[in-house]
Amino acid sequence: GAVVSQHPSRVICKSGTSVKIECRSLDFQATTMFWYRQFPKQSLMLMATSNEGSKATYEQGVEKDKFLINHASLTLSTLTVTSAHPEDSSFYICSGGPGREQYFGPGTRLTVT
Amino acid sequence: AQKVTQAQTEISVVEKEDVTLDCVYETRDTTYYLFWYKQPPSGELVFLIRRNSFDEQNEISGRYSWNFQKSTSSFNFTITASQVVDSAVYFCALSEISGGAAGNKLTFGGGTRVLVKP
Repeated sequence: GAVVSQHPSRVICKSGTSVKIECRSLDFQATTMFWYRQFPKQSLMLMATSNEGSKATYEQGVEKDKFLINHASLTLSTLTVTSAHPEDSSFYICSGGPGREQYFGPGTRLTVT
Repeated sequence: AQKVTQAQTEISVVEKEDVTLDCVYETRDTTYYLFWYKQPPSGELVFLIRRNSFDEQNEISGRYSWNFQKSTSSFNFTITASQVVDSAVYFCALSEISGGAAGNKLTFGGGTRVLVKP
């Protein structure tokens, strides 16, 4: 199947700082990618749909000014958590695919201290 | 709105026992996809199966089998002769077929944690 990479795999940051997470499609082009968040022992919840060359679409309850998404190329989407707080500590996973199949990145575990 | 329910939060079995994971879904769409993913402790999601709502045939892949019943909106998953390596969280998910690329987004169930003891 297709390959999606994420970087970094794990990050610890101090409260108030910003963190950027990259999601790359390595062997396909993706006009659309998705960002999910998973809190400990919970399910994955869709945060936003990342659209290449246009604005992201955010799910209800997700602050677009806090979670900045940029999809500047067909192989890269970035999620920036601005002014991170401890409650933003979570597992962030992106997905994308060349067609109907969705392939998930390995995830980024964010810890805000 | 779409909804996926996995009523079992955790199942514990002894190795070689069979285990069935339940998944019930709600959607207004007449056509849709259903998925099962495995999430081992590493966190990475492992794709197991995708089923088109048109296709109600049951499927078997090695020790895995799936029972899709559109009439009851269920898509259950059975692991036969479970092994310790099957220990993970399993997610059932749903996506629409229409809507272009944006329709590929998934609605996940709450997940079922399977613990297989030696």
